[in-house]
Amino acid sequence: DGGITQSPKYLFRKEGQNVTLSCEQNLNHDAMYWYRQDPGQGLRLIYYSQIVNDFQKGDIAEGYSVSREKKESFPLTVTSAQKNPTAFYLCASRVSVGDTREGYTFGSGTRLTVV
Amino acid sequence: AQKVTQAQTEISVVEKEDVTLDCVYETRDTTYYLFWYKQPPSGELVFLIRRNSFDEQNEISGRYSWNFQKSTSSFNFTITASQVVDSAVYFCALSPHTGGFKTIFGAGTRLFVKA
Repeated sequence: DGGITQSPKYLFRKEGQNVTLSCEQNLNHDAMYWYRQDPGQGLRLIYYSQIVNDFQKGDIAEGYSVSREKKESFPLTVTSAQKNPTAFYLCASRVSVGDTREGYTFGSGTRLTVV
Repeated sequence: AQKVTQAQTEISVVEKEDVTLDCVYETRDTTYYLFWYKQPPSGELVFLIRRNSFDEQNEISGRYSWNFQKSTSSFNFTITASQVVDSAVYFCALSPHTGGFKTIFGAGTRLFVKA
């Protein structure tokens, strides 16, 4: 079955560390997204990618970085510059960025905690 | 401005009660899509329904129904005869045709259904 796989499910980060969250999809979707979810705030867009080797900042990109070297993969790095990284991170995809009629397919998320 | 408001933060009902989740949106686009997603405790958002701005027909799917009213910019979701398995966070989302093809999510409504 096609879908999105996020790993790990839980991640603990020490102060000053960079950590990378994995997102892999086998849906053949061009567009991929990273969202951050905090209690009571809904989903906020971090980065998105329309195509391989291209990505754009979302609303809260500071302290995060991404890469898109393969169509299937869109890893997110939470850098030490992100001052409040504890949150639930969701990866999503859809056929293309411009196809606004399509809903997203989401992964099951990674819960990141700073210790 | 593009915005989605889910004014109900939490709702608690007893099994078999009907419950309506409210969603009010703002957009200047004439072409847009509205969505509802369900987020069960497992974390993955699940697509429930899509509505385009030109189709105001109400939709029913089993115990779920949706009422779209452009005159009041609302897209409300009703669960009839609620069940414990309906307990989740529900998100309403707006995909305007412009605005960088971003999807705007509401803050979500957490529904508790007690046995």
